[in-house]
Amino acid sequence: GAGVSQSPRYKVAKRGQDVALRCDPISGHVSLFWYQQALGQGPEFLTYFQNEAQLDKSGLPSDRFFAERPEGSVSTLKIQRTQQEDSAVYLCASSLKVDLLAFFGQGTRLTVV
Amino acid sequence: GESVGLHLPTLSVQEGDNSIINCAYSNSASDYFIWYKQESGKGPQFIIDIRSNMDKRQGQRVTVLLNKTVKHLSLQIAATQPGDSAVYFCAERYPSGGGADGLTFGKGTHLIIQP
Repeated sequence: GAGVSQSPRYKVAKRGQDVALRCDPISGHVSLFWYQQALGQGPEFLTYFQNEAQLDKSGLPSDRFFAERPEGSVSTLKIQRTQQEDSAVYLCASSLKVDLLAFFGQGTRLTVV
Repeated sequence: GESVGLHLPTLSVQEGDNSIINCAYSNSASDYFIWYKQESGKGPQFIIDIRSNMDKRQGQRVTVLLNKTVKHLSLQIAATQPGDSAVYFCAERYPSGGGADGLTFGKGTHLIIQP
């Protein structure tokens, strides 16, 4: 596609519910990043993939967060047993190589009620 | 709707004036820096980047200055337009040697263009 595509754009989840957020990176982009952006804050790094390999997951806030990219293209960020503090915009970014600039999707706004 | 600029430092300039947005970065080993623009409800949009072996880079109406001595980055926008109103984030990347790293973002500045 022309840009990074994320779905859904908005998600409301009840506390305790599991959610799955999807990211379609730019075709051919090797690197894929997930970020979490709380209201009024800058994005914070969650995890990074190079092709299908998850090379860095140091930013995942708890073991309730899990990300995968099984075929090296589409990625899914899963949050189990959502909590209110998980409410944020989840941004996905991709780049052709890790040391080149990353293009961001529009994000998924998750609200946990 | 919710604003991405809520609680952020704000810079208000007159349309047509130049604006300067400043950023202090955290790691002296960072080797790559990017300025992003973010409008409400959208993801960050690339504006301009600079590598640590440079101290200045110019784009269309934008200039980025890098001062590694004091770990300071600035974004200059010439002849501001209403469409420049947004939140601006600086981001740094520093190599850890243990794999790839994501970007570390600054707190952001909300730029408001007054008509």
